[in-house]
Amino acid sequence: GNSVTQMEGPVTLSEEAFLTINCTYTATGYPSLFWYVQYPGEGLQLLLKATKADDKGSNKGFEATYRKETTSFHLEKGSVQVSDSAVYFCALSGTQGGSEKLVFGKGTKLTVNP
Amino acid sequence: NAGVMQNPRHLVRRRGQEARLRCSPMKGHSHVYWYRQLPEEGLKFMVYLQKENIIDESGMPKERFSAEFPKEGPSILRIQQVVRGDSAAYFCASSPNRGGEQFFGPGTRLTVL
Repeated sequence: GNSVTQMEGPVTLSEEAFLTINCTYTATGYPSLFWYVQYPGEGLQLLLKATKADDKGSNKGFEATYRKETTSFHLEKGSVQVSDSAVYFCALSGTQGGSEKLVFGKGTKLTVNP
Repeated sequence: NAGVMQNPRHLVRRRGQEARLRCSPMKGHSHVYWYRQLPEEGLKFMVYLQKENIIDESGMPKERFSAEFPKEGPSILRIQQVVRGDSAAYFCASSPNRGGEQFFGPGTRLTVL
């Protein structure tokens, strides 16, 4: 079945550092790929998405490119801020069993220090 | 426009009791998904419902768990005779249509003593 593997955390960076969180997937067909972010005490929020190969999703300075040849969707940001501290989840969806259910990685906790 | 609401936010039950988790989708959303997050794991899909119908329950445990989304009122995830292994965070998401973006609630954290 479909699965997502993402880089284990926690990740601790200083403000303005470069961020990469790796994500690879296994899927049948052509899934859509997502990054979600969860701030403490809140639900998950969609950060960005890509629906086909070579698409680049971007939002709030974060980017990720759908790489079919390497089955990857790595999250990057050039200069992180303290406010980016959160847990980041990579996910995919594809029609299985009649629904567009999401399959998640385990999450990567990011802490950004001033 | 209020987001997805879940209540209670925290629920403590003793082994053998019943747990009822409620999810009110965003206004205008008729599709609801339930996910469970066990400690140190990612979110796992449980069930997908539209109003009055279960569309996909492939992630639901075969026993003790049930879900509904009635014509009026919130979606309910019900766990009968809870065991310690049911302790987890349960998240609900809603979307306006099939395949649409899923908007998540803050979750219910269930602790079974």
